[in-house]
Amino acid sequence: KAGVTQTPRYLIKTRGQQVTLSCSPISGHRSVSWYQQTPGQGLQFLFEYFSETQRNKGNFPGRFSGRQFSNSRSEMNVSTLELGDSALYLCASSSRDRTNEKLFFGSGTQLSVL
Amino acid sequence: AQSVTQLGSHVSVSEGALVLLRCNYSSSVPPYLFWYVQYPNQGLQLLLKYTTGATLVKGINGFEAEFKKSETSFHLTKPSAHMSDAAEYFCAVTKGRAAGNKLTFGGGTRVLVKP
Repeated sequence: KAGVTQTPRYLIKTRGQQVTLSCSPISGHRSVSWYQQTPGQGLQFLFEYFSETQRNKGNFPGRFSGRQFSNSRSEMNVSTLELGDSALYLCASSSRDRTNEKLFFGSGTQLSVL
Repeated sequence: AQSVTQLGSHVSVSEGALVLLRCNYSSSVPPYLFWYVQYPNQGLQLLLKYTTGATLVKGINGFEAEFKKSETSFHLTKPSAHMSDAAEYFCAVTKGRAAGNKLTFGGGTRVLVKP
């Protein structure tokens, strides 16, 4: 079974641009969540989707948004990029949206904002 | 709200020695607790989790952790370190018996294994 696939692996953008990151969960998984990882702030929860509905949202500005499609694939979008948005963005999937579920993480998208 | 504190951002151990990574949590409701490992240039992989039941939890790669409610701790141990254990380890907590997969992570502990 294929793991969680995130594309692209690396991305370089400039301030003010917008970016879209993609995540394909493990087949059959309906829950997708996103995390931001930076050296300074560590791992922070962005949002979670289950069956195309946002179930939880972290404390990030409205410039960060996401969505989930009927095939469970998810995208996250960051508009008006700032230097501080440089981070590794990790996507994780699970079969259910329960807090005791094992999350399967992708390798992430490394975003650099210049 | 939940929070997690991992004592020591870096730990150095000799190959064959005990690995002990400390994790303390704060939660207003009974928590579910996790340890994840991250190898360089990879995502996170679940080592073990505590939800309910036995407080001593065994995971993959010889790791185990014990949930101690009185000490609000969930320390991770491995009796004998191997070179392949060099990685960053994250303790995480969620609200028990709640919907959603929102994990609150600790700051991480990077483990260096010396030959």
